[in-house]
Amino acid sequence: DVKVTQSSRYLVKRTGEKVFLECVQDMDHENMFWYRQDPGLGLRLIYFSYDVKMKEKGDIPEGYSVSREKKERFSLILESASTNQTSMYLCASSPPAPLTEAFFGQGTRLTVV
Amino acid sequence: TQLLEQSPQFLSIQEGENLTVYCNSSSVFSSLQWYRQEPGEGPVLLVTVVTGGEVKKLKRLTFQFGDARKDSSLHITAAQPGDTGLYLCAGRNQGGKLIFGQGTELSVKP
Repeated sequence: DVKVTQSSRYLVKRTGEKVFLECVQDMDHENMFWYRQDPGLGLRLIYFSYDVKMKEKGDIPEGYSVSREKKERFSLILESASTNQTSMYLCASSPPAPLTEAFFGQGTRLTVV
Repeated sequence: TQLLEQSPQFLSIQEGENLTVYCNSSSVFSSLQWYRQEPGEGPVLLVTVVTGGEVKKLKRLTFQFGDARKDSSLHITAAQPGDTGLYLCAGRNQGGKLIFGQGTELSVKP
């Protein structure tokens, strides 16, 4: 069974804290993605990585950074969490070919207080 | 930025009714995908459409890709409560990024 695993289902952090969201995939996929999901806005792409140490900004990268030191792991970092970053965060991975399926983790519900 | 616009955003219908969800863009996509997401889970792929004018059927679900490859539709026949969920269209741009529409929240009441 293919798997994308996100380290936490629920997180509560304080404003100003540095927050790490971890994502691991076991499918040897080149591409990995971080999205945030808010009601009525669908999934918005934060960052995209197409190889180890390679990354591209998505549509809403402000306030976030990412790290991909190993192929299977893609981390999302909130340098200084703010209340407007309260959201559902979804990680996905896929092979590089354009017609391939993206596999998602179960999501991390982050609340910043 | 390539955008995908979905409509309607919310749909509440009775069991047995038919419905259509639309996904539109001003840009051409080489392919479009439809995903379904249930509460507490990540989205799961339903179908990929590639050729302009293509129609694919998945039991009671029919997916169509527009001739110009800028739009797609999802039609559900005789909806059932088990069809309840969030339906998302998605397309890949040239650089490989996977872009999603806003989603359609479907509720099918028994």
